Amino acid sequence: AQSVTQLDSQVPVFEEAPVELRCNYSSSVSVYLFWYVQYPNQGLQLLLKYLSGSTLVESINGFEAEFNKSQTSFHLRKPSVHISDTAEYFCAVDSGGSNYKLTFGKGTLLTVNP
Amino acid sequence: DVKVTQSSRYLVKRTGEKVFLECVQDMDHENMFWYRQDPGLGLRLIYFSYDVKMKEKGDIPEGYSVSREKKERFSLILESASTNQTSMYLCASSLDKYTEAFFGQGTRLTVV
Repeated sequence: AQSVTQLDSQVPVFEEAPVELRCNYSSSVSVYLFWYVQYPNQGLQLLLKYLSGSTLVESINGFEAEFNKSQTSFHLRKPSVHISDTAEYFCAVDSGGSNYKLTFGKGTLLTVNP
Repeated sequence: DVKVTQSSRYLVKRTGEKVFLECVQDMDHENMFWYRQDPGLGLRLIYFSYDVKMKEKGDIPEGYSVSREKKERFSLILESASTNQTSMYLCASSLDKYTEAFFGQGTRLTVV
């Protein structure tokens, strides 16, 4: 069975500070990894994903995540956050098996303060 | 613009009622999902479907059933609503495991 652990339920930071949101997964097979973001009162939307190839993936708004197979991690980072990045961030994994089953972590609430 | 539409944003039902949550997608996606979202618990998969009339249990199927008679529509059914089913329900669809899942805006269900 696959599972996702997001180590921090809340991360408060000041504007322009760097941030890292941690995600670890467990799976007995190769995985596909995703970060989704949920802005206040909105649905979830995809931020970035890792399927194969380069272990460093980037989003259009400055976030990046690195797939580390040996540590079974997929941490999300941004070197300088904006107030508009305030949202809940969810890490998700799909085992890549024949059935498509996306498992989510419990979420990390990122609050960016002025 | 791709869309996953859930029929209600807010719903209040009484204990013991049969409740239907409807979800429609306009992207011709094979896969559809129902999750519930609770504070501190994240998103938990209730049921998913990878084809018409096909369904699979997720992690918390107890107390729920689903129906997928047409490709674009995936319904979640609470046979006899209980207060512990008060939650935010999210529907999603996806073409395949390599592309993103698109989510609806959610239905906040309160069972009183």
